[in-house]
Amino acid sequence: QITLKESGPTLVKPTQTLTLTCTFSGFSLSTSGVGVGWIRQPPGKALEWLALIYWNDDKRYSPSLKSRLTITKDTSKNQVVLTMTNMDPVDTATYYCAHSRSITIFGVVTTYYFDYWGQGTLVTVSS
Amino acid sequence: SYVLTQPPSVSVAPGKTARITCGGNNIGSKSVHWYQQKPGQAPVLVIYYDSDRPSGIPERFSGSNSGNTATLTISRVEAGDEADYYCQVWDSSSDHYVVFGGGTKLTVL
Repeated sequence: QITLKESGPTLVKPTQTLTLTCTFSGFSLSTSGVGVGWIRQPPGKALEWLALIYWNDDKRYSPSLKSRLTITKDTSKNQVVLTMTNMDPVDTATYYCAHSRSITIFGVVTTYYFDYWGQGTLVTVSS
Repeated sequence: SYVLTQPPSVSVAPGKTARITCGGNNIGSKSVHWYQQKPGQAPVLVIYYDSDRPSGIPERFSGSNSGNTATLTISRVEAGDEADYYCQVWDSSSDHYVVFGGGTKLTVL
């Protein structure tokens, strides 16, 4: 059974750095084709993808937020950490981590999707 | 960057068929995934790889993808299907990143 849970501060001040931890169970992030992603959702708005880290430690970031994001993994602890610098009130959102699975055709990865999600954690940015 | 366009809202009567579209440039060449999100809950995967259903998702949910439009179809709509629906692709053409559509609010009349 795959489960994920986000943890971190619920309130951060503008200009501070946010650090969120995703602790998971039921899978290994060293398994080929597996990834963990971060997605956020401002209140009343749409989902926004932030970052994705793959089993081979390859990392991808949202182009619009790339300069502010860092994603890392600790396979031994079953954790993925996301840091976001220079937080602003517009970054107020529920932040989700999710297990990502790939589809491979003839040895080539063609897509990733998110099949298990954490419950999310609301982060408010305010002074 | 790749853009996915969804209608903000779709309304349907109970028992009827709802169709939610997701538009993108040559989206038929990509794999599309769909998520259902009810208020206060995390998203749930309902369709992956254009038309496959995860275990536990009713057969009433189906998907298709061709040309510039992918479609999520919900047959025999129930009150419990009322939710926001998001499409998603993995864009391998550029820097391998994830894109979500803007979401569609499904209202069951």
